[in-house]
Amino acid sequence: GQNIDQPTEMTATEGAIVQINCTYQTSGFNGLFWYQQHAGEAPTFLSYNVLDGLEEKGRFSSFLSRSKGYSYLLLKELQMKDSASYLCAVRDLGGGSYIPTFGRGTSLIVHP
Amino acid sequence: GAGVSQSPRYKVAKRGQDVALRCDPISGHVSLFWYQQALGQGPEFLTYFQNEAQLDKSGLPSDRFFAERPEGSVSTLKIQRTQQEDSAVYLCASSLEGMDSVEKLFFGSGTQLSVL
Repeated sequence: GQNIDQPTEMTATEGAIVQINCTYQTSGFNGLFWYQQHAGEAPTFLSYNVLDGLEEKGRFSSFLSRSKGYSYLLLKELQMKDSASYLCAVRDLGGGSYIPTFGRGTSLIVHP
Repeated sequence: GAGVSQSPRYKVAKRGQDVALRCDPISGHVSLFWYQQALGQGPEFLTYFQNEAQLDKSGLPSDRFFAERPEGSVSTLKIQRTQQEDSAVYLCASSLEGMDSVEKLFFGSGTQLSVL
């Protein structure tokens, strides 16, 4: 597999900023995805990074460093509705497959 | 349709029964993926279709699992002689692009399968 590693759980306070890290090992990196999944619901797309740097979309930003095998998702001005699981997925062409492989997800709990 | 639709939403099966799970992708989407998600885990890849062609079935856990997409739209995942370890949420996702340029997957809400 792609050895994708994310923290299992994080907690944060409403209004604060939280950074969710994802590290991975690939032999042919070809893109990293972040998805949000509320309990019992479908994962929904947040971001896609294929080049190094930071991409910002409103309150959410995603960063990628290919040389370090590292990405993070930054959530600003946290709201209670941001409590969810955040899934990091990587596409690795080294194994001959274009299939996105998911990490186990980070469960974020936002409290008042 | 507006999104990816999966049915049934919940399925309870007795061990040994066969089940069929349906996925209606977004109209016109080329790629269709099936994933299996156990409680507290990320989705695990099962199989991939590009139009009607099943290009990758490396994730299917055993020969009891079979998937098809005969006309390049609706897909069915069939599990024969279900076992308790098959209990999980089965997610379907589709994408407008072909496998080598997928940038965004659209997921259905999944079918939660419980095998008793």
